[in-house]
Amino acid sequence: NAGVTQTPKFRILKIGQSMTLQCAQDMNHNYMYWYRQDPGMGLKLIYYSVGAGITDKGEVPNGYNVSRSTTEDFPLRLELAAPSQTSVYFCASTSGEPNTQYFGPGTRLTVL
Amino acid sequence: GQNIDQPTEMTATEGAIVQINCTYQTSGFNGLFWYQQHAGEAPTFLSYNVLDGLEEKGRFSSFLSRSKGYSYLLLKELQMKDSASYLCAVYGSGNTGKLIFGQGTTLQVKP
Repeated sequence: NAGVTQTPKFRILKIGQSMTLQCAQDMNHNYMYWYRQDPGMGLKLIYYSVGAGITDKGEVPNGYNVSRSTTEDFPLRLELAAPSQTSVYFCASTSGEPNTQYFGPGTRLTVL
Repeated sequence: GQNIDQPTEMTATEGAIVQINCTYQTSGFNGLFWYQQHAGEAPTFLSYNVLDGLEEKGRFSSFLSRSKGYSYLLLKELQMKDSASYLCAVYGSGNTGKLIFGQGTTLQVKP
């Protein structure tokens, strides 16, 4: 099993550009999450999904969108990138029992 | 409200024992997790407590007191590779699987 994979690893965007961060898992987990982590800080939940076709907002959803058309994939869309979105983005998944979340390697995004 | 508190930084000596505390106030409680995160890497699972008491796993142990809203992670026989951030996370109410993370404790192990 590859676990949770994320692409790209690094990206530099200009203000106002858009991009999609890809996340995939091969563990047949129903629950998937997107977090951002700013330097020296903990993880803040952006969006999450409890199954294909179901998504909901987390703590910091503004400026982002998600979709979940399959169990495996959970892409995160940034529209009109802003410098405040410079961060490291982690995708995670869990089966829900006992809810241990497994993380992808992260995407380091810089918006200039 | 929901709040999780951990010390920001700690320093310890190789071979010693260190205890990292976590206090929480959340609406609902279904378990507490500890994750380790090396610089530039993803968090990795260390331990899970849902009942009061101590869970031991090799050099690492985790303790939970639900009545006090308190947990600690105990690291024994510290090694240089234990230098990392340690994240406390609470699984609150509902069945969404959402975790609430503390800001993390950066542990520096010195020779």
